[in-house]
Amino acid sequence: QQQVKQSPQSLIVQKGGISIINCAYENTAFDYFPWYQQFPGKGPALLIAIRPDVSEKKEGRFTISFNKSAKQFSLHIMDSQPGDSATYFCAAWGSGTYKYIFGTGTRLKVLA
Amino acid sequence: EADIYQTPRYLVIGTGKKITLECSQTMGHDKMYWYQQDPGMELHLIHYSYGVNSTEKGDLSSESTVSRIRTEHFPLTLESARPSHTSQYLCASTWAGGTGELFFGEGSRLTVL
Repeated sequence: QQQVKQSPQSLIVQKGGISIINCAYENTAFDYFPWYQQFPGKGPALLIAIRPDVSEKKEGRFTISFNKSAKQFSLHIMDSQPGDSATYFCAAWGSGTYKYIFGTGTRLKVLA
Repeated sequence: EADIYQTPRYLVIGTGKKITLECSQTMGHDKMYWYQQDPGMELHLIHYSYGVNSTEKGDLSSESTVSRIRTEHFPLTLESARPSHTSQYLCASTWAGGTGELFFGEGSRLTVL
């Protein structure tokens, strides 16, 4: 019940294309769903996050779509750029809990 | 930019040595974490702390130990390093009353020969 399943494991997209990464969770107690972006040699950094009371959140080229009934959420990167090449982690967090549950990560490569 | 610092960034040591990886944050966060990560791979929680004098083991078994004597400081120690300990170690923090955002340090890359 504590897992967050992330797919795909790796993704190659042409410059200007749309990158889509999916995550599914099991525990309905989670109430914060962030995406983290990690470049080689760096720690992960928060990219965008959503709470379950909304179905979509957009920040620039990055959008989270959230489906509460299906217990799924996804990250869409529009007009993907080579600078977006990184590893992306979805996560789930419940208020009052002590830890995040991270997905297994998706390595995104955007070809120039 | 997050105010969480890890030292050393890179460390190469021989088998059997004792090492301490330092982690400090200036944000007053009560919750702190250590993750182990092979390059570009999953994040494995190895230790966490709710606050001063509180430490717990994470999901991944680790031979390391941690302490939390001060809010801002959460060092990780390996008493006798082995090649299997070669990895990247990431420290992170957050605070209970916040949005839940986890702030990471830049990591300590450990190589044990």
